Amino acid sequence: SQELEQSPQSLIVQEGKNLTINCTSSKTLYGLYWYKQKYGEGLIFLMMLQKGGEEKSHEKITAKLDEKKQQSSLHITASQPSHAGIYLCGARVGIIQGAQKLVFGQGTRLTINP
Amino acid sequence: DAGVIQSPRHEVTEMGQEVTLRCKPISGHNSLFWYRQTMMRGLELLIYFNNNVPIDDSGMPEDRFSAKMPNASFSTLKIQPSEPRDSAVYFCASSLGWRQGTDTQYFGPGTRLTVL
Repeated sequence: SQELEQSPQSLIVQEGKNLTINCTSSKTLYGLYWYKQKYGEGLIFLMMLQKGGEEKSHEKITAKLDEKKQQSSLHITASQPSHAGIYLCGARVGIIQGAQKLVFGQGTRLTINP
Repeated sequence: DAGVIQSPRHEVTEMGQEVTLRCKPISGHNSLFWYRQTMMRGLELLIYFNNNVPIDDSGMPEDRFSAKMPNASFSTLKIQPSEPRDSAVYFCASSLGWRQGTDTQYFGPGTRLTVL
């Protein structure tokens, strides 16, 4: 079965600093999804990557997909307190109708110190 | 626009009782997913439906768990009888479809279940 490993598991950075979170898959990636979760709340969709080399940005968050390495990275520039939370990567297990389930990494807990 | 709606948000019950969790997907979405999140196991899929038909229920823990989707706008997850190890946050998610490009899943706020 497919497994996703996120690193680091937790991260504490000073406000204004840049940071990167990695997500590595044990199998081929058919779609990689990044979500953010705050305690006691649901997952908020951030970005989805499908093709190798694809890169997407939203405000100060950039996600990249390296298909050959079966890896994705999430980069936050000039971090702010609003970026604090748990970041989860999820991967689709296949492309057919019966393979649309997502498996998730264990999450990266991000703390921003003022 | 309304997102995925789940009820109740919190549920505390005693071991052996029946628990029913409810979900209303985003209007127009054809796929619905039930996930469970615990500290030990993280976020894991229990079951999902396409066009109200269960597609994959391999994540359902055991016969005590059952899920139904009687129509496109409503689904239930039932646990009978409940056990303390069922304590977790249960999320419902929906997506427009199953094909790539339509399969982004949007999550509800979750139901925090505590079984005493």
